[in-house]
Amino acid sequence: SQQGEEDPQALSIQEGENATMNCSYKTSINNLQWYRQNSGRGLVHLILIRSNEREKHSGRLRVTLDTSKKSSSLLITASRAADTASYFCAGDNYGQNFVFGPGTRLSVLP
Amino acid sequence: EAQVTQNPRYLITVTGKKLTVTCSQNMNHEYMSWYRQDPGLGLRQIYYSMNVEVTDKGDVPEGYKVSRKEKRNFPLILESPSPNQTSLYFCASSLSPGVWAFFGQGTRLTVV
Repeated sequence: SQQGEEDPQALSIQEGENATMNCSYKTSINNLQWYRQNSGRGLVHLILIRSNEREKHSGRLRVTLDTSKKSSSLLITASRAADTASYFCAGDNYGQNFVFGPGTRLSVLP
Repeated sequence: EAQVTQNPRYLITVTGKKLTVTCSQNMNHEYMSWYRQDPGLGLRQIYYSMNVEVTDKGDVPEGYKVSRKEKRNFPLILESPSPNQTSLYFCASSLSPGVWAFFGQGTRLTVV
């Protein structure tokens, strides 16, 4: 299995600002995914980026992937209070083994 | 509505008393998985299933059992729970391997 790790562990920003979170992983992946979790509830799948992609957009989300550095970033633009949550990355290594990092806790202050 | 349903949402039990956490999905997904979430450790995969009667261990399978007798259900069984299994548990399902798009709302288990 492989471990993902998000950075920073916690991030506090003002509403309207952009939030950037990073993820690093240890071995090769087939795809990488980002999830959001509100306060101990279920995870919501945000976006998937495949190993042959470098950048992907979905609404206010922008994800990049650098397989040479084994890292990914998630950018949330024009953040809102409703974006307050924990964000996780998880990698799939051509199979079912899929490990999540401990997450970044994002607080968006009004 | 497409969903993964776990029950119960909250459970307090005593050491050694067998328990089952149920998981059901209504999307006809082949792939299902169980995770536990602990502070500072993220989510760790316990078991996963690729289809009916096909299951495999994840990263932390010790102390857990699963079964997949029907496509929609994937119960997690703790034969003899111990306090170190106190955790938040999530079930997930997927149409394709490695893309866990649907999660249940979680089961918070406390073993005393």
